[in-house]
Amino acid sequence: KQEVTQIPAALSVPEGENLVLNCSFTDSAIYNLQWFRQDPGKGLTSLLLIQSSQREQTSGRLNASLDKSSGRSTLYIAASQPGDSATYLCAVRPSSSGSARQLTFGSGTQLTVLP
Amino acid sequence: NAGVTQTPKFQVLKTGQSMTLQCAQDMNHEYMSWYRQDPGMGLRLIHYSVGAGITDQGEVPNGYNVSRSTTEDFPLRLLSAAPSQTSVYFCASSSSWANSPTDTQYFGPGTRLTVL
Repeated sequence: KQEVTQIPAALSVPEGENLVLNCSFTDSAIYNLQWFRQDPGKGLTSLLLIQSSQREQTSGRLNASLDKSSGRSTLYIAASQPGDSATYLCAVRPSSSGSARQLTFGSGTQLTVLP
Repeated sequence: NAGVTQTPKFQVLKTGQSMTLQCAQDMNHEYMSWYRQDPGMGLRLIHYSVGAGITDQGEVPNGYNVSRSTTEDFPLRLLSAAPSQTSVYFCASSSSWANSPTDTQYFGPGTRLTVL
């Protein structure tokens, strides 16, 4: 069974710092990996999706990398801002076919960027 | 487009009561799903549907029922609420599921349920 782990559970940094959030998974047979953002009391918003054949994806100040062989992904946030404060979750889809491709989520990293 | 909508936003039930959490999407998505989110455990899949009339169980289906009579709606029913079902419930949808590695899910704002 796929397990997804995110460490640390919480992180606090001063504004302007570059930071890295970590995600590890136990089964490397994945279809893709996604990073989501969740604001308090809100739903999840997809930030980046990396296909199994890709090594990284970038969107603005965000860069996500994927290393399937080691079962790891990182989300790099450049020049952090207080508006980046949220919980960040990663989720993987297995490479099995059809409707078995369900997401397995990590428990998230709660990020606080201090002004 | 409203995206994925959920009602109610908050609900308090007594043990043994039943209720239905509503979910609707206006994006003509084939795939819809229900998750529950508990502290420290991430999101866990309850039930999902790959199209109207087709549903299946996820990781934690016990105590919940679903049906999918239309493409737009995917209600989640609690037949006899238990304190263990206290959680935040999210509905999600995507255009397709099995065919494209770039499909992403769109999430509703959630329903916070407390069972006393």
